[in-house]
Amino acid sequence: AQSVTQLDSHVSVSEGTPVLLRCNYSSSYSPSLFWYVQHPNKGLQLLLKYTSAATLVKGINGFEAEFKKSETSFHLTKPSAHMSDAAEYFCVVSDRLKAAGNKLTFGGGTRVLVKP
Amino acid sequence: EAGVAQSPRYKIIEKRQSVAFWCNPISGHATLYWYQQILGQGPKLLIQFQNNGVVDDSQLPKDRFSAERLKGVDSTLKIQPAKLEDSAVYLCASSYNEGLHYGYTFGSGTRLTVV
Repeated sequence: AQSVTQLDSHVSVSEGTPVLLRCNYSSSYSPSLFWYVQHPNKGLQLLLKYTSAATLVKGINGFEAEFKKSETSFHLTKPSAHMSDAAEYFCVVSDRLKAAGNKLTFGGGTRVLVKP
Repeated sequence: EAGVAQSPRYKIIEKRQSVAFWCNPISGHATLYWYQQILGQGPKLLIQFQNNGVVDDSQLPKDRFSAERLKGVDSTLKIQPAKLEDSAVYLCASSYNEGLHYGYTFGSGTRLTVV
């Protein structure tokens, strides 16, 4: 079984300051982990993914995440927030097992507000 | 490359009515998924097809929801009869058969409001 917990439902940051979105996962197998972003009335966009290569993963728009197996965490960070980063962010897990069929399990989401 | 196409974009119906959503995946994608995203929550998988066969429908409320992918290409999701709690965005996604997350792409969704 797999599950994801996003520790903050809302995060508010000032433009130009760092962003940290926290995610903990549970997986019966060696997982793959993803971060997706969803802007209002827009589709889901993949930010980055971890699939057992380097534990520090770089994504689009300056985002990166670090896989920490000992802490079962996959936190998302960005050094400097931009107004366009205001959106909903989802941490996602998938058991890397063929029988799981690429099923994605989403966290509850973190809404990011960026203040000028 | 064309993305995952979904229609309609929006639908408003009264409770106890029926509704159907359509999805056309990316050409060549063998796997198709339907997700339900209730406002304020993350998407939840309803059903997964591999070609025209069902792989996982464990979270599909089968008393009122049904889905089919008859020719292994496009798919329809139906709700009959609808309840107020079915108000959500219904997302379709598709991926290649082999490789984890290879080509996994979401459509823009259908927003359903049940009144």
